[in-house]
Amino acid sequence: DVVMTQSPLSLPVTFGQPASMSCRSSQSLVSSDGNTYLNWFHQRPGQSPRRLIYEVSNRDSGVPDRFSGSGSGTDFTLKISRVEAEDVGVYYCMQGTHWPYTFGQGTKVEIK
Amino acid sequence: QVQLVQSGSELKKPGASVKVSCRASGYTFTNFGINWVRQAPGQGLEWMGWINTNTGKPTYVQGFTGRIVFSLDTSVSTAYLQIPSLKAEDTAVFYCARGGYLDSWGQGTLITVSS
Repeated sequence: DVVMTQSPLSLPVTFGQPASMSCRSSQSLVSSDGNTYLNWFHQRPGQSPRRLIYEVSNRDSGVPDRFSGSGSGTDFTLKISRVEAEDVGVYYCMQGTHWPYTFGQGTKVEIK
Repeated sequence: QVQLVQSGSELKKPGASVKVSCRASGYTFTNFGINWVRQAPGQGLEWMGWINTNTGKPTYVQGFTGRIVFSLDTSVSTAYLQIPSLKAEDTAVFYCARGGYLDSWGQGTLITVSS
């Protein structure tokens, strides 16, 4: 199975400041169709996950543009340009290129 | 709008069976598969597999094969997750999510297994 490794596991942030987290895969996530199926999800405490980004860098409808995804191959990054209170929670990356789909262990974003 | 509504929390004894439902609305049910994801208490997300809502064919992740059953009732746009013989370690929140991109999620169903 493809192992997804996220870092850091805990990310203390300050409101209004940028934040960045990493996701690395044990194999390239470039599919045979040329697409890279790397998604990012956000889970607030007590809520279900919500998809933020699909295929590395495409923001879902309603996701603020302070969120951006980038990367290629095995290295991916999620950035928040200016952290807001609603951004706390756990962020998961997930690959959908190789069977079975696998998630990273999550990066917990909390306020300093 | 797309909605996935799951059945409510349940408390079960070891050895009992549970069936979680996931009712879809706001789109054509058979156009997207349904995934199931487990989240043990305080832990991360674990993909369990998916069911093709067109053919009814389930696909299970290796660690869950033989322990769970996915099924459908397309007449009511509903997918089901059944765990026939619960163990204490099955205590978790179970989520359904739509399609290969998991673009919409249910609210989650907490299954607690305790004697």
